[in-house]
Amino acid sequence: AQSVSQHNHHVILSEAASLELGCNYSYGGTVNLFWYVQYPGQHLQLLLKYFSGDPLVKGIKGFEAEFIKSKFSFNLRKPSVQWSDTAEYFCAVGASGTYKYIFGTGTRLKVLA
Amino acid sequence: DTGVSQDPRHKITKRGQNVTFRCDPISEHNRLYWYRQTLGQGPEFLTYFQNEAQLEKSRLLSDRFSAERPKGSFSTLEIQRTEQGDSAMYLCASSLQGVGDGYTFGSGTRLTVV
Repeated sequence: AQSVSQHNHHVILSEAASLELGCNYSYGGTVNLFWYVQYPGQHLQLLLKYFSGDPLVKGIKGFEAEFIKSKFSFNLRKPSVQWSDTAEYFCAVGASGTYKYIFGTGTRLKVLA
Repeated sequence: DTGVSQDPRHKITKRGQNVTFRCDPISEHNRLYWYRQTLGQGPEFLTYFQNEAQLEKSRLLSDRFSAERPKGSFSTLEIQRTEQGDSAMYLCASSLQGVGDGYTFGSGTRLTVV
């Protein structure tokens, strides 16, 4: 069965610090990978997605993620966080050709001004 | 287009009562999904529609749960004889083609069973 692990449940950073949130999945086949963000009081929004091609994917608001197939990982990065990045971040995996996602448990990021 | 709309935003009900939630997807999206999210967890898949056809139901969806999508437009999720364990955020999402497009989520309906 597919599963997704987000090892960091809570992360606190100061503004301008670099961010890396871990995401590992278990599935032997081809996958589609996603990061979603949920800002306080708002709905889940797609941050970035990977299907194929360049394993380094750039998303909105300066975020990027790198797919490392050998490590079954899809870590989210941002070189310099802002206070407005305070949110909960969810990694999700969908087996290629299927229609449902498996979500991780989320990482709550708090950025201190 | 205002995105995916869910109604109500909050619902408090007594145990044993029936509740129904509504989701209006983005109009051109033919795929609609229901997920459930409890505190400290990520969203969990419940069911999926392509147009009006319900193509899969999760084992999480007991026989007290039923979902419909008449005419392939809005969808309803009904929970009969609610239990305290049903308390959660119920999320609706829609997409144009499938998992590859990424979902657009609604704001959810928060159910509290007392």
